[in-house]
Amino acid sequence: AQKITQTQPGMFVQEKEAVTLDCTYDTSDPSYGLFWYKQPSSGEMIFLIYQGSYDQQNATEGRYSLNFQKARKSANLVISASQLGDSAMYFCAMREPNTGNQFYFGTGTSLTVIP
Amino acid sequence: DAGVIQSPRHEVTEMGQEVTLRCKPISGHNSLFWYRQTMMRGLELLIYFNNNVPIDDSGMPEDRFSAKMPNASFSTLKIQPSEPRDSAVYFCASSSGGSGSYEQFFGPGTRLTVL
Repeated sequence: AQKITQTQPGMFVQEKEAVTLDCTYDTSDPSYGLFWYKQPSSGEMIFLIYQGSYDQQNATEGRYSLNFQKARKSANLVISASQLGDSAMYFCAMREPNTGNQFYFGTGTSLTVIP
Repeated sequence: DAGVIQSPRHEVTEMGQEVTLRCKPISGHNSLFWYRQTMMRGLELLIYFNNNVPIDDSGMPEDRFSAKMPNASFSTLKIQPSEPRDSAVYFCASSSGGSGSYEQFFGPGTRLTVL
């Protein structure tokens, strides 16, 4: 089974609108971390936001927030007030510290912000 | 803090040649990861090390690929002999171990073209 599933290969959003990028994960480990990365066309991988499995509140970083629903094993990224510079690939990832600290990445979602 | 350093940034070689990619992780990080990214296959984990020891190399495509981490500050990924299907962007990433928000920090990548 896939550890990380991103079901949206491509998404479009109007500038200044909010957008949600979906991510579901699969683990039996009670301790894990969830991450989102952004990869613009220039190619670098940029860390955006982190959510720990024991965190009670949803993580937020500026315009990014993580909608963490533990029972559903989902960790959706919400980008508010989209900007043209948000156009990029977005990857969801999970780390399992109790299984050798391995990271698992999803297949990514390509976001295009329309002016 | 220089971040993860990779060299070379670009490599063009001919089929059959040996290719060596280099990575210097962030000082103090004890986990190092090698990824390959292509349009067709997305981001693939090739191998990762904890404390210089290879933990999981199941992603290494075949015996032509080998990776070493002789010390905490240096790792190499070698392809011998190279083939056109090895053309990809190769990323090195490092992170701290243990629990918590220890995200992976990615290097800028090496774009490999095998003719």
